[in-house]
Amino acid sequence: EPEVTQTPSHQVTQMGQEVILRCVPISNHLYFYWYRQILGQKVEFLVSFYNNEISEKSEIFDDQFSVERPDGSNFTLKIRSTKLEDSAMYFCASSEPSGSSYEQYFGPGTRLTVT
Amino acid sequence: QKEVEQDPGPLSVPEGAIVSLNCTYSNSAFQYFMWYRQYSRKGPELLMYTYSSGNKEDGRFTAQVDKSSKYISLFIRDSQPSDSATYLCAMINTGGGNKLTFGTGTQLKVEL
Repeated sequence: EPEVTQTPSHQVTQMGQEVILRCVPISNHLYFYWYRQILGQKVEFLVSFYNNEISEKSEIFDDQFSVERPDGSNFTLKIRSTKLEDSAMYFCASSEPSGSSYEQYFGPGTRLTVT
Repeated sequence: QKEVEQDPGPLSVPEGAIVSLNCTYSNSAFQYFMWYRQYSRKGPELLMYTYSSGNKEDGRFTAQVDKSSKYISLFIRDSQPSDSATYLCAMINTGGGNKLTFGTGTQLKVEL
């Protein structure tokens, strides 16, 4: 069964450093998303991406964040100048380019720890 | 008022029980209502979703939406220890793109 994969599973970084979180969406999906979940809190939307551009972003997704689809399979989230409060689980999701585009399938997540 | 409210639990039931999980919401523009299951330190797994009001059944799971009351439910019949997880409701306002707005999740434990 096709699934969304994410690497690394755990990333530890020092405050102020840049990190890149990687995702491989399901192969025939064309909508891509990033969400985050701070420990003990709800899953929050960050950004959606379609046709090589951001289609929607939340207030959280400021200039510190950027997304890219560098090739036909990967989807990345870059976080610049990381802060302690960026520590969270980051989930990538993808959905089909059709009437089922509301069915979002999530990856296992990357745990980001900023020290 | 939070857009989506969900009792965090924990909810503990004996094996075989019928489980009822619920969410309320404030935004009447929500049209798609999802239920995700999340095991500890894993990604959310889509269980089922409904569009607008009504019921939907899939095996042991039934989802109900009452838009007039802004209330959604997930029922699990013949609950199993493997159902122990956190259950997240999530909603989409199609006028606002495809972003999911999640509840905080209800932690369920099904005991032998």
